[in-house]
Amino acid sequence: QVQLVESGGGLVKPGGSLRLSCAASGFTFSDFYMSWIRQAPGKGLEWVTYINNVGNTISYGDSVKGRFTISRDNDKNSLHLQMSSLRAEDTAVYYCVRYGSGWGFAPWGQGTLVTVSS
Amino acid sequence: SSELTQPPSVSVSPGQTASINCSGYKLGDTYASWYQQKTGQSPILVIYQNRKRPSGIPERFSGSTSGSTATLTISGTQAIDEADYYCQAWDKSAVVFGGGTKLTVL
Repeated sequence: QVQLVESGGGLVKPGGSLRLSCAASGFTFSDFYMSWIRQAPGKGLEWVTYINNVGNTISYGDSVKGRFTISRDNDKNSLHLQMSSLRAEDTAVYYCVRYGSGWGFAPWGQGTLVTVSS
Repeated sequence: SSELTQPPSVSVSPGQTASINCSGYKLGDTYASWYQQKTGQSPILVIYQNRKRPSGIPERFSGSTSGSTATLTISGTQAIDEADYYCQAWDKSAVVFGGGTKLTVL
């Protein structure tokens, strides 16, 4: 079955960096757009970024533009999010999510918690 | 950037129909999707392309649009439907989520 497993979350100080990874299985990874969507504690969903299936079309939300970088390795069925200049407001559960064109975002991984605090 | 507006909360009695609206000026030009998130769980897709249900989603979930408003309707609401619901749409190359609606089944 389709599975997305995030890793790399943890506690980081303001201004620091962190790299999240997502291991995909159960589908042809190179056929799908992928996205990171986050949820701050007790808050709603916020789209962070997406990357197209071959990695040459990328878009970022305004709140992370210039600080976060999404990438993918289709040979290893993996998605990554390099986060730098982290702020307290970046504290959230980060979900790795597959996007099927016209189908919506599904499925979602279990999420990995990033906490930015001194 | 585009915004999608949802009511913060909706209450419904078991067996009744719950409707959750999502309004945004772009909804007349783009598809809406809906996601269900139960406490402590990851979201799941329940409606895409305004009215289509993914496999495995019960028939009591339906979607519709009128003008710039998308609506998620749950017919014969059950206690297991108690969750947060989020609408989502595209605005050019950006993804927008509504603020979420907490559905309480009383």
